[in-house]
Amino acid sequence: QVQLQESGPGLVKPSQTLSLTCTVSGASITSGGYYWTWIRQPVGKGLEYIGRMSVTGTAHYHPSFASRVTISPDASKTQFFLTLNSLTAADTAVYYCARDLPWISWYNAFDVWGQGTMVIVSS
Amino acid sequence: SSELTQDPAVSVALGQTVRITCQGHSLKTFFATWYQQKPGQAPILVFYGKNKRPSGIPDRFSGSTSGGTASLTIAGAQAEDDADYYCSSRDTSANVIFGGGTKLTVL
Repeated sequence: QVQLQESGPGLVKPSQTLSLTCTVSGASITSGGYYWTWIRQPVGKGLEYIGRMSVTGTAHYHPSFASRVTISPDASKTQFFLTLNSLTAADTAVYYCARDLPWISWYNAFDVWGQGTMVIVSS
Repeated sequence: SSELTQDPAVSVALGQTVRITCQGHSLKTFFATWYQQKPGQAPILVFYGKNKRPSGIPDRFSGSTSGGTASLTIAGAQAEDDADYYCSSRDTSANVIFGGGTKLTVL
């Protein structure tokens, strides 16, 4: 059974860089053709897609984040990372990592989610 | 445009059928995917593609997508279905977009 677990600092200062880790257990991020994704949710608001990484490490980012985000794999192939810079209070949210099914048809689906990690941007 | 629109809130009497809708241009090309989220929990996948329901999701959950509108139908809503529901889809720029969510109240 595949499980995902986010980890990282709960509090980051404005203008600084956020670094989060998603640890994957029960599978390797290089198998199965999945996309490994980051999604966030401001408190009391909806879900926001940040971006994804393929099994080869190729990344795709939502235009809203593209100028300041990086999603990358770990050499061990059991973790992947989110780096988001130039933080403001608007980046305060619960950050989720998720697994996206292979895009072999006219849909995508996040079938496995981490529990989420709360990040507060404040001085 | 890359937007999905959902009604903010819907209610249903216990045991009755409810339809939650999602509208957007991307749904003319791609199927909708639906997630259920309860307070303090991560979303879970409840329906996707033309007719796919993940293992463990009750068969009272079903979905459809046609002509820019997608629907998630819960036939015989139960108290445990009280939750927020989000639709999402791919768009033509290879992004994933989410609707704003619908809060379902089971009365």
